[in-house]
Amino acid sequence: NAGVTQTPKFRILKIGQSMTLQCTQDMNHNYMYWYRQDPGMGLKLIYYSVGAGITDKGEVPNGYNVSRSTTEDFPLRLELAAPSQTSVYFCASSLTVAGNTIYFGEGSWLTVV
Amino acid sequence: KNEVEQSPQNLTAQEGEFITINCSYSVGISALHWLQQHPGGGIVSLFMLSSGKKKHGRLIATINIQEKHSSLHITASHPRDSAVYICAVGALNFGNEKLTFGTGTRLTIIP
Repeated sequence: NAGVTQTPKFRILKIGQSMTLQCTQDMNHNYMYWYRQDPGMGLKLIYYSVGAGITDKGEVPNGYNVSRSTTEDFPLRLELAAPSQTSVYFCASSLTVAGNTIYFGEGSWLTVV
Repeated sequence: KNEVEQSPQNLTAQEGEFITINCSYSVGISALHWLQQHPGGGIVSLFMLSSGKKKHGRLIATINIQEKHSSLHITASHPRDSAVYICAVGALNFGNEKLTFGTGTRLTIIP
């Protein structure tokens, strides 16, 4: 099992550009999450999804969009990249939302210049 | 807002030492997670607990709900245990969609 796979690993964007971070899980998990990790800070939830077709905002959703067309995939779209979006992004999934282990991807390092 | 405080922020120890990392939180929770983040960045879930104690190999996690405190212990520490250990708590009546993460404890084990 690959678990949670996210791409790309590293990306440099110019201010104003857009990009999509891809996330795929092969565990048939209903719940998927996108977090960002800034230096010296705890992970912050950007968006989450409770199943195909259903998404909801987390703590820091501004500047991002998501979609969940299938159980497996949960891409994160950055529109009009800003330096404040320079961060490490983690995709994660869990079978249910409560009482379950969370599985994380390897992280995507994004720099906006 | 549920604040999560971890201590120490940094810990350096000799191989073989017994390690304790602490996590305190401020309000009622549904569950507490301990995560391990290696230098390459990947995050692995070590434990999820809502009461008592769990053990996996050389790792032991305990939680005291009344004192709003959890500890992660590592026995017979090894250089491969060097990582950042993160505590995360789930808001009461919520699940993983309402987690608050600590800033992590950086552990370095010297051979």
